[in-house]
Amino acid sequence: GAGVSQSPRYKVTKRGQDVALRCDPISGHVSLYWYRQALGQGPEFLTYFNYEAQQDKSGLPNDRFSAERPEGSISTLTIQRTEQRDSAMYRCASSLTSGGLSTDTQYFGPGTRLTVL
Amino acid sequence: GQNIDQPTEMTATEGAIVQINCTYQTSGFNGLFWYQQHAGEAPTFLSYNVLDGLEEKGRFSSFLSRSKGYSYLLLKELQMKDSASYLCAVRDRDDNFNKFYFGSGTKLNVKP
Repeated sequence: GAGVSQSPRYKVTKRGQDVALRCDPISGHVSLYWYRQALGQGPEFLTYFNYEAQQDKSGLPNDRFSAERPEGSISTLTIQRTEQRDSAMYRCASSLTSGGLSTDTQYFGPGTRLTVL
Repeated sequence: GQNIDQPTEMTATEGAIVQINCTYQTSGFNGLFWYQQHAGEAPTFLSYNVLDGLEEKGRFSSFLSRSKGYSYLLLKELQMKDSASYLCAVRDRDDNFNKFYFGSGTKLNVKP
């Protein structure tokens, strides 16, 4: 696609429900990142994929959060038993490569605004 | 871990020049990026430095000193549309994979 897309753009859910957030990266991009961004803050790293392999999940807050990228393209971030503190903007970004290419940068999607009531 | 510090907020006048500083500490430095983020929108790439010195792109310039763990973004001939948050991000290389760490962002207010 032309850019990174995410769906849904807005999600309102009740506490205790599970949610699944989808990210469709730029076609051919190897790396995919998930971030959480609070209002007035920079993106906070959650997890990172290189193709289908989850290379780093150190930023996931707890075991209610999980992510997958089974075919090395689309990724899903799942939050189980949502809590009010999970309310935030969840952003996905992709980059062309995973290695040290100096010009490689990230391209961000529009984000999913999650509100847990 | 990585520490990235930048001022929370700055105000400048239309037509002026403003410098936004960023200091960082990282173990596997592999580049420093600046992003612009307008309210309610996704961050967009502005500039990149991996070697020491100044990189210029039109009205925007970015400087890096790796020995000092310091960078700045220079915006010239400020326009009202430059009112946005500016994010400093460090790319860290670990086991041949890149990971990005972001500062909290500097909110720039451009006044007429």
